[in-house]
Order: sequence, then structure tokens, then C-alpha cells
Amino acid sequence: EAQVTQNPRYLITVTGKKLTVTCSQNMNHEYMSWYRQDPGLGLRQIYYSMNVEVTDKGDVPEGYKVSRKEKRNFPLILESPSPNQTSLYFCASSLYLTSREFFGPGTRLTVL
Amino acid sequence: AQTVTQSQPEMSVQEAETVTLSCTYDTSESDYYLFWYKQPPSRQMILVIRQEAYKQQNATENRFSVNFQKAAKSFSLKISDSQLGDAAMYFCAYRSSSTSGTYKYIFGTGTRLKVLA
Repeated sequence: EAQVTQNPRYLITVTGKKLTVTCSQNMNHEYMSWYRQDPGLGLRQIYYSMNVEVTDKGDVPEGYKVSRKEKRNFPLILESPSPNQTSLYFCASSLYLTSREFFGPGTRLTVL
Repeated sequence: AQTVTQSQPEMSVQEAETVTLSCTYDTSESDYYLFWYKQPPSRQMILVIRQEAYKQQNATENRFSVNFQKAAKSFSLKISDSQLGDAAMYFCAYRSSSTSGTYKYIFGTGTRLKVLA
């Protein structure tokens, strides 16, 4: 089944403890993105990648890192999480630049 | 910078009736793509409809259709014969064309649609 998977789905952590949220797609898509969703703010793009080893900042990249070493994987790294990074995170992928995005199921992150 | 505005935080519609969700955007680009996504309580993001800015014809998908007014920078979603399963948060989104060299997506803040039985 064609899909985007994210792990973990739920995570509660403490301030400053490094964490990684994994994202993987099995559709051979070139383009991948990370978003965060907050009440009243909609979805905001954190980082995106247009190919292996090619990444760029979205609208809210501060406090996040990404890497794209393989086409299928696009992990989101929080080196030193803070409470303002408590949010619902979505990974998404797209075949072409102009195609629709396929979204993962979301990761609910709480930073205490 | 591009912006997307959804001015209706919440809307209600009676089952089987028609409802229109509003979306306006601001851009200096001439070529771009517009989307409507649905997010039910399961939180899954589901594509509803997609519109290419260079196409004058409004996109339709079964009971869902858009009214795309390029000059007015307006992109509203019409849901006909509303069903209980249409209850969800709806997001309008903007994407630059491939000629821009970026892959940025700009989302609106969403409209929560309630369907009344």
C-alpha cells in the first residue's frame, strides 16, 4: 500500500532532550516536507526537500533540523526541544513539484 | 511573500444542503497551484480538489467544486448535497509553480465545517 509513515505517533518528552521523528514513503517520491499544525495557525511548513541531499527552509525552521540521505526517508530532528515546539507534526511527500501531497498520519509531540 | 486567508473559522450546513467555504490569497506570481484539503477528526489530511492557475475552468470532484477567480485572488470551495461525513476542518493551500524553484506550501488557518442532521 502506497503510504507515508511517521514514528512515533505520540511522544511526550522534556525540555532539552534530543529527539528524532522519522518519516518514510514507499512511493519513490522526490519531494518531501515537514509541517507543524497549531490551533488557529493552520499548517506551517518547517523544511522541505526536493531530492536526496537537497533541503531548504520553510516558514518556521528555527529549532529543527532535517536530513535526506535516502530518497524514502526524511527525519525531523529536534536537537534541544522546548515547550513552544509542542505541536502536531505532519510529514508529506509528492511525486513532482506540481503534484498533490500525500500526508503521513501525524505525530503528536508534547515538550514539558 | 504569499499569504492565504480563510476568514470563516467555522461554518454550519444542514445535511443535503450546499455550503461554500471562502479562501483568498495574495501573490505576485502568475503561475501557481491551489488546493483544498480536508482534515476529519482522525487528523488525516485528505486532498479534496486541486486547481492549476493557468486553467480557467473550475475544478470539480463529484460533490466538490471550486469557484476560482484569478483576478480577485479568490478560491472558494462549494460542497453540494452535504453529508455527515463532510464534517471536518478544511484547509486552503497555495503552491508556487515549478518555475519558482521552491517547494513552499502556504496553508490557510482552516474552516471547521459542521454538518447538522
